[in-house]
Amino acid sequence: AQKVTQAQTEISVVEKEDVTLDCVYETRDTTYYLFWYKQPPSGELVFLIRRNSFDEQNEISGRYSWNFQKSTSSFNFTITASQVVDSAVYFCALSVLNSGGYQKVTFGIGTKLQVIP
Amino acid sequence: NAGVTQTPKFQVLKTGQSMTLQCAQDMNHNSMYWYRQDPGMGLRLIYYSASEGTTDKGEVPNGYNVSRLNKREFSLRLESAAPSQTSVYFCASSEEGLGRESIQYFGAGTRLSVL
Repeated sequence: AQKVTQAQTEISVVEKEDVTLDCVYETRDTTYYLFWYKQPPSGELVFLIRRNSFDEQNEISGRYSWNFQKSTSSFNFTITASQVVDSAVYFCALSVLNSGGYQKVTFGIGTKLQVIP
Repeated sequence: NAGVTQTPKFQVLKTGQSMTLQCAQDMNHNSMYWYRQDPGMGLRLIYYSASEGTTDKGEVPNGYNVSRLNKREFSLRLESAAPSQTSVYFCASSEEGLGRESIQYFGAGTRLSVL
């Protein structure tokens, strides 16, 4: 069975601070993908990043960076110099194939980030 | 670009009433999904449709039915609503149909309250 743990349910930071959102996953599959989605107050989930299990290179996109470590089964997300627009709920997700060969995605419970001006 | 469109955005039902949540995507995606989002539980899959003409149960299918009307549309029906079905419902579609690498694109959600 797959499991995604986002231990931080809510985080508050002051604008311009750096913040790291933790994600720990469990799976017996050797091939899988990890995702981060953002859910702003408007409600819809927005895709941020996808990473496959064979690619442990960290990635940076502007103020966002992701640290994937298979040794600790973690895929953490850091926002540098946070801004009020970063306030949202962030979901980490794990994707494998189910017994029928279709995609099965397991989401974490989400981390609510509040950036205070 | 519309992406994934869900209707209605809000709905209040009485226990025992029925209703259908509509979802349509204009990205020519093969796969579509229905999730529910509850506090402290993240998103849980209700049903999915890997391709037009097929549907399968997800993690929490009880009390729901679905119809993949055509490639664009995937509806979710509550035959006899219960308070436990109070939730936010999301429809999603994915770009590659099959494969663990597929990115899912989400609608804005439907907030449903069952009294």
